[in-house]
Amino acid sequence: AQTVTQSQPEMSVQEAETVTLSCTYDTSESDYYLFWYKQPPSRQMILVIRQEAYKQQNATENRFSVNFQKAAKSFSLKISDSQLGDAAMYFCAYRSALYNFNKFYFGSGTKLNVKP
Amino acid sequence: SAVISQKPSRDICQRGTSLTIQCQVDSQVTMMFWYRQQPGQSLTLIATANQGSEATYESGFVIDKFPISRPNLTFSTLTVSNMSPEDSSIYLCSVAPGAGASGANVLTFGAGSRLTVL
Repeated sequence: AQTVTQSQPEMSVQEAETVTLSCTYDTSESDYYLFWYKQPPSRQMILVIRQEAYKQQNATENRFSVNFQKAAKSFSLKISDSQLGDAAMYFCAYRSALYNFNKFYFGSGTKLNVKP
Repeated sequence: SAVISQKPSRDICQRGTSLTIQCQVDSQVTMMFWYRQQPGQSLTLIATANQGSEATYESGFVIDKFPISRPNLTFSTLTVSNMSPEDSSIYLCSVAPGAGASGANVLTFGAGSRLTVL
């Protein structure tokens, strides 16, 4: 089964600065999707950004961008100009594009603290 | 994207009792998913609720413990049966509108139900 690893249980960043959250995954498949989800203290999971494995270009959504390294099976999330509202748990997730494509595999999460 | 209403948002339950969590979606979806998030941990898929057929359970989860209903394309329930303190978790309902192999298959989540079992 695919595994998703987030090696940073908790991170802190100063407001307005940049932080990068790490994610690695293990798969033998060539076509898949990767996601970053945000879970604020209110618990509502929100999609932050999505990357298709067949695309070489890194996805970007406003202050959020990813560094997708397919060969290294790495998918990090960069948050620029951090805001207090970015404080949350961040989960990296994997989904196959070929098999059992309704099943998402989640990492263990990284708690991001934003200091004013 | 779909809007999901989930209730109860939280509950405190006694050991040995059962609790049913409801999930209502504002649009018709083929599949609904139930996840468990144990304290401080990641999300684990319990089962996929299919309309008109039995739910599909993941390894480690059984129908007797987590019976699921899916009476129509906008509603599902998950029951946590004969609860023990180990069942204390957040239970999340989710859907994937446009489910299929394409990238349109992105999970949308409800706000979750936090269960505490004493």
